[in-house]
Amino acid sequence: DAGVIQSPRHEVTEMGQEVTLRCKPISGHDYLFWYRQTMMRGLELLIYFNNNVPIDDSGMPEDRFSAKMPNASFSTLKIQPSEPRDSAVYFCASSPPTSANTGELFFGEGSRLTVL
Amino acid sequence: GENVEQHPSTLSVQEGDSAVIKCTYSDSASNYFPWYKQELGKRPQLIIDIRSNVGEKKDQRIAVTLNKTAKHFSLHITETQPEDSAVYFCAAGYQKVTFGTGTKLQVIP
Repeated sequence: DAGVIQSPRHEVTEMGQEVTLRCKPISGHDYLFWYRQTMMRGLELLIYFNNNVPIDDSGMPEDRFSAKMPNASFSTLKIQPSEPRDSAVYFCASSPPTSANTGELFFGEGSRLTVL
Repeated sequence: GENVEQHPSTLSVQEGDSAVIKCTYSDSASNYFPWYKQELGKRPQLIIDIRSNVGEKKDQRIAVTLNKTAKHFSLHITETQPEDSAVYFCAAGYQKVTFGTGTKLQVIP
């Protein structure tokens, strides 16, 4: 398997523009997570899905952020409108089904977003 | 929700010495405690994990201990090598994990 695939790897945009980040999880994994990493706040969980259903979006910073998972092989994180403080590395991670409820996170390479 | 604290934030050791990183968590429902290593510009990768029914786990030069009563867990790296230099994150949770703030480990040759 190619692992978790994220696109774009780098995005530079201007304040006010819409940004869409994409993720393809590992086939067979039923959990998908979106994390944001900054120097100031570390790795923050934004939202996670189980079997394509959003389970917990309490980490989504505000209404400008939205995430969808229309099928088991694709998810998007959208920021509209973007602001300079959204600049960060956004990681998508997937996790396989496990009887122990929590399992290893397999991270994508991340999408580095810069909002000017 | 879960709150994970991690110490120290930076750690420098001589090659061959041991390194210890400590974390505490707040939610007694947490039952999964992974450790991730992140090299500069790369993704975090799991190096070892422990579940709440186990007090200690070892994998070659890496070991993790868990004290559920005190709600703390630690990562021990023995015989450190320059390639161990990275940022290490602890995490804790149930279904989802909350990450600590990270420890930047520098191994000096």
